[in-house]
Amino acid sequence: ETGVTQTPRHLVMGMTNKKSLKCEQHLGHNAMYWYKQSAKKPLELMFVYNFKEQTENNSVPSRFSPECPNSSHLFLHLHTLQPEDSALYLCASSQFRDISYEQYFGPGTRLTVT
Amino acid sequence: AQSVTQPDIHITVSEGASLELRCNYSYGATPYLFWYVQSPGQGLQLLLKYFSGDTLVQGIKGFEAEFKRSQSSFNLRKPSVHWSDAAEYFCAVGASNDYKLSFGAGTTVTVRA
Repeated sequence: ETGVTQTPRHLVMGMTNKKSLKCEQHLGHNAMYWYKQSAKKPLELMFVYNFKEQTENNSVPSRFSPECPNSSHLFLHLHTLQPEDSALYLCASSQFRDISYEQYFGPGTRLTVT
Repeated sequence: AQSVTQPDIHITVSEGASLELRCNYSYGATPYLFWYVQSPGQGLQLLLKYFSGDTLVQGIKGFEAEFKRSQSSFNLRKPSVHWSDAAEYFCAVGASNDYKLSFGAGTTVTVRA
């Protein structure tokens, strides 16, 4: 595997389910990001981890819970979601948490909440 | 706080024709500017970026962009599009003392034969 991978690629869940999204980067980066992409809206930064420490929580509802066990893996735990949470969730990584370092994006997980 | 506007939601262009995508930003200081492309089913890929220096920036896949401070713009261009250029394009702006990117809502490009 190369680059940034995300699993699953598609997920359908009910509002009472609990599920997790997984992201893995094979680039040796130290910063990882979760973004939410809704149709025809700008990408929304949700969480940022730098050297496994959470440095950003962009007013995200508590039904989204991130976890970063090491610099290569990032999870997004989901529970009691709402239909408006349906979106494409993108993971990204960069060598350092700095604007001058390119963010590399995974293909995303398409989440549908029913 | 910085923000980005991409005025065109959807553009259709013929294969071989030129393409220009508009991006206007709002930021008080010198911005860091980016263009990303997202092909169907893919994540975002960086096409080019501007930090300082020459205001005409060359990127991958034959794209270029020009920073115009007086117009607060960073428009993306390609002289001759290929069918594989059909995708969604995002402009983003950041600040030198921060790591966050503010993205536009994107422009969808359709290429007709």
